[in-house]
Amino acid sequence: AQSVTQLGSHVSVSEGALVLLRCNYSSSVPPYLFWYVQYPNQGLQLLLKYTSAATLVKGINGFEAEFKKSETSFHLTKPSAHMSDAAEYFCAVSVDSGYSTLTFGKGTMLLVSP
Amino acid sequence: DADVTQTPRNRITKTGKRIMLECSQTKGHDRMYWYRQDPGLGLRLIYYSFDVKDINKGEISDGYSVSRQAQAKFSLSLESAIPNQTALYFCATQRGQGFYEQYFGPGTRLTVT
Repeated sequence: AQSVTQLGSHVSVSEGALVLLRCNYSSSVPPYLFWYVQYPNQGLQLLLKYTSAATLVKGINGFEAEFKKSETSFHLTKPSAHMSDAAEYFCAVSVDSGYSTLTFGKGTMLLVSP
Repeated sequence: DADVTQTPRNRITKTGKRIMLECSQTKGHDRMYWYRQDPGLGLRLIYYSFDVKDINKGEISDGYSVSRQAQAKFSLSLESAIPNQTALYFCATQRGQGFYEQYFGPGTRLTVT
């Protein structure tokens, strides 16, 4: 079975600062990895995905993530935070099997201060 | 128009009542899912369906049931609601085998008093 750990339930940054949200996964087979964002009172929106192609994945709104197999990590970064990035972010993992489902981390709330 | 819709968006009900949450999609996806979200716990899978005749229990199915009325419709029922079922409920769709990302509806906020 796969699992996801997101380090830090809350991360605070200043506007213009680097954003780093951490995600580590556990999987016995090659994983597929995702980052979703949830803005207040909305559903989850796919930010980016890793599906065994390039290890550095670019997503929407200037976010990117790098798959590091040796570290079992898939951290999300953005060079310069914007106020509109304030939201909750979820990392999720799936595997290639007939009955695979998404397993989510507990989420990280990103707070951006002016 | 939204690809994945959920009704109602908000609902307050009393302990012991039966309640149904509905999900419809226009994406033409085969797979549909129901999750609940609780603060600090992330999303947990309640039930999922890979097609109309294939329904499976998820991590936390006790106290819930589902119905896949058509490819586009997947309903979640609470037979006898209890207060600890107060949560935000999401429906999601997935295109099919070999496609791993899921697409989410806007959610239903359910309060059981």
